[in-house]
Amino acid sequence: GAVVSQHPSWVICKSGTSVKIECRSLDFQATTMFWYRQFPKQSLMLMATSNEGSKATYEQGVEKDKFLINHASLTLSTLTVTSAHPEDSSFYICSAPGTGENIQYFGAGTRLSVL
Amino acid sequence: AQSVTQLDSHVSVSEGTPVLLRCNYSSSYSPSLFWYVQHPNKGLQLLLKYTSAATLVKGINGFEAEFKKSETSFHLTKPSAHMSDAAEYFCVVRAGTYKYIFGTGTRLKVLA
Repeated sequence: GAVVSQHPSWVICKSGTSVKIECRSLDFQATTMFWYRQFPKQSLMLMATSNEGSKATYEQGVEKDKFLINHASLTLSTLTVTSAHPEDSSFYICSAPGTGENIQYFGAGTRLSVL
Repeated sequence: AQSVTQLDSHVSVSEGTPVLLRCNYSSSYSPSLFWYVQHPNKGLQLLLKYTSAATLVKGINGFEAEFKKSETSFHLTKPSAHMSDAAEYFCVVRAGTYKYIFGTGTRLKVLA
């Protein structure tokens, strides 16, 4: 099946710094990608839809200035957590829909720890 | 609005015994339903999907799920649990072209 690569898998940063997470579709193109956040022992919550060549669409309650999304190409979307704070510590997962298929392919996730 | 409810947050079974993870859905039209598995610190892997074809869906690793419209259920089963099945399982409904709604997850524990 299709592969979605997410990098880094784990990042620790100081409060106030910014962190960039990359999501790549390795063997297919994705005009749309999705970013989810997973709190400990909870389900995944959709944060935003990343659109190649246009602005991302954010879910209600998600700060667009806090979580910057850039869909630079048909295989790459990035999520930048700006001025990170400890409450931003979480597991972030991206996904991309398979071409012609009714399923999503998920990255392995990025665990962000803000000190 | 589309939604899914996973009825058990934790399930424990002995190795070699059957597995049942329960999921009920709510949908105003014929839903697309999925089960994903997440192993610790890993991404999500698709187990199986239902998209209005056969009501009994077979997935990977011996898992299957049955879509029951009368009961609005899509329970995940496996005849014989293996230690490697221990993970978090998510029932998911498609709520838009690409929008997925996740259940709260069921953590499966397999006892030796």
